[in-house]
Amino acid sequence: EVQLLESGGGLVQPGGSLRLSCAASGFTFSNYAMTWVRQAPGEGLEWVSTISGGGGSTYYANSMKGRFTVSRDNSKNTLFLQMNSLRADDTAVYYCAKSPLAVTTFDYWGQGTLVTVSS
Amino acid sequence: QSALTQPRSVSGSPGQSVTISCTGTSSAVGGYNYVSWYQQHPGKAPKLMVYDVSKRPSGVPDRFSGSQSGNTASLTISGLQAEDEADYYCCSYAGSYTWVFGGGTKLTVL
Repeated sequence: EVQLLESGGGLVQPGGSLRLSCAASGFTFSNYAMTWVRQAPGEGLEWVSTISGGGGSTYYANSMKGRFTVSRDNSKNTLFLQMNSLRADDTAVYYCAKSPLAVTTFDYWGQGTLVTVSS
Repeated sequence: QSALTQPRSVSGSPGQSVTISCTGTSSAVGGYNYVSWYQQHPGKAPKLMVYDVSKRPSGVPDRFSGSQSGNTASLTISGLQAEDEADYYCCSYAGSYTWVFGGGTKLTVL
């Protein structure tokens, strides 16, 4: 059974940093691209970033480029999102999601971790 | 990338059918056959219901079907059931390993 478990969320001041983790199990982690999607309170879903299975290719939404860094440790089946220069509008639940081999969709999602940016 | 356009809300009675539209551009939705639909109940993670326009993952009832015409994709739910009440989001591949979501549609089962 595929399981994705996010952690690392919390309260951070504007301008601060936070590192999210997503522990994966139930599949061969290194074979699959992984993605972060966020959802601001009461709002819709927003694609944040995708990383290839091997970790060599990364992709970001324009508003996150230069501030967020996605990475993965395939030896520990863990996905990361390093978030710097956080702003109030980064407040959201952050979900990690797995793609199938074709990387055309997101077939499994974690339960999310809440990031609150506030002074 | 601009968000895809979905109606804010739709409703239907049990047993009826409803269709949710998702309008994009030629660079998203129209440019690829990679539209997905996600169901999200309050406080829960999204769940994949349809992918690649019209394919259903294992375990998703065949009451859920997807289609696409030009720059507009659609999700049809037939034989509405109370448990179908949720938010539904479309998502399209937009090229260069980027994706764009719709704003979401709240489905109310009357």
